[in-house]
Amino acid sequence: GAGVSQSPSNKVTEKGKDVELRCDPISGHTALYWYRQSLGQGLEFLIYFQGNSAPDKSGLPSDRFSAERTGGSVSTLTIQRTQQEDSAVYLCASSLGTFTGQYFGPGTRLTVT
Amino acid sequence: AQKITQTQPGMFVQEKEAVTLDCTYDTSDQSYGLFWYKQPSSGEMIFLIYQGSYDEQNATEGRYSLNFQKARKSANLVISASQLGDSAMYFCAMRERVAYSGAGSYQLTFGKGTKLSVIP
Repeated sequence: GAGVSQSPSNKVTEKGKDVELRCDPISGHTALYWYRQSLGQGLEFLIYFQGNSAPDKSGLPSDRFSAERTGGSVSTLTIQRTQQEDSAVYLCASSLGTFTGQYFGPGTRLTVT
Repeated sequence: AQKITQTQPGMFVQEKEAVTLDCTYDTSDQSYGLFWYKQPSSGEMIFLIYQGSYDEQNATEGRYSLNFQKARKSANLVISASQLGDSAMYFCAMRERVAYSGAGSYQLTFGKGTKLSVIP
């Protein structure tokens, strides 16, 4: 069956521009997660959705980051006024429930020049 | 303070031998979950195994087993009969509830990872 998909796979943008990253979870998965992985580092948790609701946004690195999820399915992560330190691979994962394994998408590699 | 500690930045194992990857965690929550993920050089994150804090039996999935010692707060991953394809980064992760707000809110924390290299 179809796994988690993310688009674009690669994004190069100029400093100061806004970018939008998209995640399409596995059908029927109610939980959706966004992470960031910088080069050679572990994963940094950004935000978690249960359905369309994100109870806690404190993992987002700054107020330039926002995320939404509509229809309990697709989620978008938006970064406004991108900075070079935003360069990373942004990973999305979904899971059937909150205490089950998360299945990851291939990631979006963001490069801010 | 680090919530997930993986003390082995790199490990080597001979093909067909077993290897244990260490993970210790820190939480004051009673209800939490522990996960292991594999990340090969291709970059994808592959879910391997899950252990719930209330599970009495150690989790097993094929050649993977999780040695869960709750009192010591450790959740080591054991890979039996290593294969060349097991060479990858391995991440230990913990999910714990941090606040109750309607559907609840969860904090997820990953360790820094262990790079496993399987030698033929």
